[in-house]
Amino acid sequence: EVQLVESGGGLVQPGGSLRLSCAASGFTFSSYEMNWVRQAPGKGLEWVSYISISGTTIYYADSVKGRFTISRDNAKNSVYLQMKSLRAEDTAVYYCARDYSGYDSFEYWGQGTLVTVSS
Amino acid sequence: DIQMTQSPSSLSASVGDRVTITCRASQSVSSYLNWYQQKPGKAPKLLIYDASSLQSGVPSRFSGSGSGTDFTLTISSLQPEDFATYYCQQSYSTPWTFGQGTKVEIK
Repeated sequence: EVQLVESGGGLVQPGGSLRLSCAASGFTFSSYEMNWVRQAPGKGLEWVSYISISGTTIYYADSVKGRFTISRDNAKNSVYLQMKSLRAEDTAVYYCARDYSGYDSFEYWGQGTLVTVSS
Repeated sequence: DIQMTQSPSSLSASVGDRVTITCRASQSVSSYLNWYQQKPGKAPKLLIYDASSLQSGVPSRFSGSGSGTDFTLTISSLQPEDFATYYCQQSYSTPWTFGQGTKVEIK
């Protein structure tokens, strides 16, 4: 069974940093591209970042470019999102999602981790 | 960026009704269009990919159609478990973008 488990969310002050982790199991992690998608409270979905299988191709939404860094460790079956210079508008549930290869849809999702940016 | 616009933003329907949700892209996305269902407090679930391909395990009452800029998600006979919010998403070019969502409520 495919499982994605996010962790690392919490309350952080504006300007602060946080590192999210997503632990994958139930599939060959090193064969799949991964993404982070977020959802502000009561709002819709926003794609945040993508990382290729090898980690050599990375994309970001403009809203996080220069502040967030996606990475992966295929030996640990994990993908990460390092978030810096956090703003109130970054407050959201952050989901990691497995890419559906060839279609770039989000086939499997974790349960999400809440990041709250507030003083 | 490609803008995705769904209509309606919400609808009320009864069990057994045929429900249609529309998604329009600001430019052609070919068939790179996906549909998701999200229930309160839960992660989204992929229903349809590549505009009309049914994801494994998704009931056949769900179907998708369209290409280019205009797409439709149809639920042929609404069931109690289908009351949720539905999102379209284009995967034609980054940044991948979602529609604003359509909330399907009980009439």
